Amino acid sequence: AQSVTQLGSHVSVSEGALVLLRCNYSSSVPPYLFWYVQYPNQGLQLLLKYTSAATLVKGINGFEAEFKKSETSFHLTKPSAHMSDAAEYFCAVSEGYGGATNKLIFGTGTLLAVQP
Amino acid sequence: DSGVTQTPKHLITATGQRVTLRCSPRSGDLSVYWYQQSLDQGLQFLIQYYNGEERAKGNILERFSAQQFPDLHSELNLSSLELGDSALYFCASSPQPSSGNTIYFGEGSWLTVV
Repeated sequence: AQSVTQLGSHVSVSEGALVLLRCNYSSSVPPYLFWYVQYPNQGLQLLLKYTSAATLVKGINGFEAEFKKSETSFHLTKPSAHMSDAAEYFCAVSEGYGGATNKLIFGTGTLLAVQP
Repeated sequence: DSGVTQTPKHLITATGQRVTLRCSPRSGDLSVYWYQQSLDQGLQFLIQYYNGEERAKGNILERFSAQQFPDLHSELNLSSLELGDSALYFCASSPQPSSGNTIYFGEGSWLTVV
């Protein structure tokens, strides 16, 4: 069975500070990993995904994440937070290459607050 | 705008009733997914369809059913509604059903059961 754990349901940073949102996964098969963002009253938008091409993945809005197999982690970072980054962020896992379904298993989410 | 359209956006109904949520996937996407987002359960995968056929099943209650029609739109039917079914229901779509395909989410249908 696959699962993801997001450490910290609430993270607060100052504008311009580093953003670090933590995600650890558990999977019996090589996984694909995703970060989605949800702004208030909106759907989920894909930030980035890891599908085994490169361990450092760059996404939209200046975010990136690094897949570390030894640590079973896929933490999301952004060098400098902007007020517009305030949202809820979800890490998700699916079966890796060759998986017949595209079922995403989501973490519980991290609400990011950005202070002026 | 993801291109996935869900209707209705908001729905209030009474316990014991039945509702239908409708989803139009992105143009060209053959696979449709349904997810439920609630405060206590988080984001839960319900079911996946591909080109009209059920592809994967998650934590979908027996009171719930879904289908994907020949024109690729999908409906999620929720019956004998309970207070605990109040949630945000997302539809999503992807070009193909296999893992790694980017899944695009609609804005959701808010269901309130009173």
